[in-house]
Amino acid sequence: DGGITQSPKYLFRKEGQNVTLSCEQNLNHDAMYWYRQDPGQGLRLIYYSQIVNDFQKGDIAEGYSVSREKKESFPLTVTSAQKNPTAFYLCASSTPRTGEGEAFFGQGTRLTVV
Amino acid sequence: GIQVEQSPPDLILQEGANSTLRCNFSDSVNNLQWFHQNPWGQLINLFYIPSGTKQNGRLSATTVATERYSLLYISSSQTTDSGVYFCAVHNNAGNMLTFGGGTRLMVKP
Repeated sequence: DGGITQSPKYLFRKEGQNVTLSCEQNLNHDAMYWYRQDPGQGLRLIYYSQIVNDFQKGDIAEGYSVSREKKESFPLTVTSAQKNPTAFYLCASSTPRTGEGEAFFGQGTRLTVV
Repeated sequence: GIQVEQSPPDLILQEGANSTLRCNFSDSVNNLQWFHQNPWGQLINLFYIPSGTKQNGRLSATTVATERYSLLYISSSQTTDSGVYFCAVHNNAGNMLTFGGGTRLMVKP
């Protein structure tokens, strides 16, 4: 099946810990994105990547880090510097690299700080 | 960056009614998409519609790029249409997909 896989579906983190959210796609898409959604709100862009080994900050990058070592994978690390990490995180991909193509989303990861 | 505004923010319909959702954007765009977010949070692709009109069953969408707006029409609404509808646009550089705030739709039986 072609698509975008996010894991885990639910994640609990203790304060002060870093956690990494996984996003894998087998659509051969160039561009990948991470979004954050708070309850009752829209989606805000954290980071995006148009090509392997390159990524750019979005609107709310503080407290997050990413890597793009493979075309298929774009993991997001929520660091202890992120003051309010409890949220729903969504990963997306699209093609071509310049992003005019249709974007598709994974099923999301719900992160809760306990 | 591009600003995307959706209206109305909330909408309650009786089953069988029709509705129109609007998306305004502040600059020219390469791409516009409509999504439906279901109760489990999954974003379902409805339309990829940079310009023109498309139809898919009871749903249709029209984008007038020169006037910077798009409309999503839902006809004969069903309770399963409930959820949040988002529009999202790509800027001309193509590197950022920006979302509107969404329209929260509730269809009552």
